[in-house]
Amino acid sequence: EAGVAQSPRYKIIEKRQSVAFWCNPISGHATLYWYQQILGQGPKLLIQFQNNGVVDDSQLPKDRFSAERLKGVDSTLKIQPAKLEDSAVYLCASSLLAGRTDTQYFGPGTRLTVL
Amino acid sequence: EDQVTQSPEALRLQEGESSSLNCSYTVSGLRGLFWYRQDPGKGPEFLFTLYSAGEEKEKERLKATLTKKESFLHITAPKPEDSATYLCAVGNTGKLIFGQGTTLQVKP
Repeated sequence: EAGVAQSPRYKIIEKRQSVAFWCNPISGHATLYWYQQILGQGPKLLIQFQNNGVVDDSQLPKDRFSAERLKGVDSTLKIQPAKLEDSAVYLCASSLLAGRTDTQYFGPGTRLTVL
Repeated sequence: EDQVTQSPEALRLQEGESSSLNCSYTVSGLRGLFWYRQDPGKGPEFLFTLYSAGEEKEKERLKATLTKKESFLHITAPKPEDSATYLCAVGNTGKLIFGQGTTLQVKP
């Protein structure tokens, strides 16, 4: 069974530029998550989708971050404009079930460096 | 507020030297306590889920236990390939709240 795919793996941009990350979850998984992991910290949830609807985006900085889940499958996370403090690893995860806490499976992440 | 604290932040062991990692938590309604392993440059890899106090799970040299306030990850006779960051997370209403992780280094 293929795991969660993410691209790109690395991205370096200047502050105030925009960037987009892509995620393809495990086939059949209903719920998709985007996390931000700053060096030395645990992952922090940014947004949670159930099928193609948003369940939780309470920690998403909505003035600069946006996300969508296309047809309940792939998802993109965008940052516009980027700030220095956005330098982090952005992890995508998916889980099989909807509407309950379930094991989440993570992709390899995208390491973003903002200069 | 839901909170997860892991200790120690870093742990160095000699190969074969057993030890334990701690995960203390406060959560309004526990829906599972999850342990993950994260290698440098990779995403977290699922290890265990525990749901109720007294529950234990084992995998190779790892054993996870759960009480009402904390979880332990016991590592028996570790090998250098066990070196990684170990993350614990509590489940609550469909999402996971992670601790900051314990970075384990096992020297041969």
